[in-house]
Amino acid sequence: AQKVTQAQTEISVVEKEDVTLDCVYETRDTTYYLFWYKQPPSGELVFLIRRNSFDEQNEISGRYSWNFQKSTSSFNFTITASQVVDSAVYFCGGVTGTASKLTFGTGTRLQVTL
Amino acid sequence: EPEVTQTPSHQVTQMGQEVILRCVPISNHLYFYWYRQILGQKVEFLVSFYNNEISEKSEIFDDQFSVERPDGSNFTLKIRSTKLEDSAMYFCAIDRISAYNEQFFGPGTRLTVL
Repeated sequence: AQKVTQAQTEISVVEKEDVTLDCVYETRDTTYYLFWYKQPPSGELVFLIRRNSFDEQNEISGRYSWNFQKSTSSFNFTITASQVVDSAVYFCGGVTGTASKLTFGTGTRLQVTL
Repeated sequence: EPEVTQTPSHQVTQMGQEVILRCVPISNHLYFYWYRQILGQKVEFLVSFYNNEISEKSEIFDDQFSVERPDGSNFTLKIRSTKLEDSAMYFCAIDRISAYNEQFFGPGTRLTVL
């Protein structure tokens, strides 16, 4: 069984602050994929990133960066210089195996204010 | 252009009625999934579908639920006799052909059971 923990229920920051969203993924499998999705107020699920368990290189995409550490099972997401448009619920998730179900965490609601 | 669309965007039904939610992928995909999200909660896996068969299902996916691809393109989720607790956002997802094991979500159908 897999377990995804997003300990932060809600985070509120002021625009231009950096913010890190935490995620811990627990599984007995050695091969798995980790994901982050954004759910804006409009409700859709927007894919942000996929990482596999063998790739611990940090990834940066514009203001977004991800840090995966297999030793701690953490896959944290950092937004640099946050903007109001970043306000959303962010879900971390994991997949074990081929074309298998995606297990989501409970989500972190990020509120960015002016 | 979205890779998958869902119809209807919002469905209101009376308790005990049957509903059919539709998912239309833009191009051919092999793996299909249904997830649901009760308002304010996390996204939960319902069922995965491969090669015209259910490959995996969750405890939520009981006898009231069924899935099929009636014409080889549309992918449907049927709830035979809706209950109040079926009220949720239902998301269809597909594995992107261009990216192994990456699930791309449709915009969702909001189901309200009265």
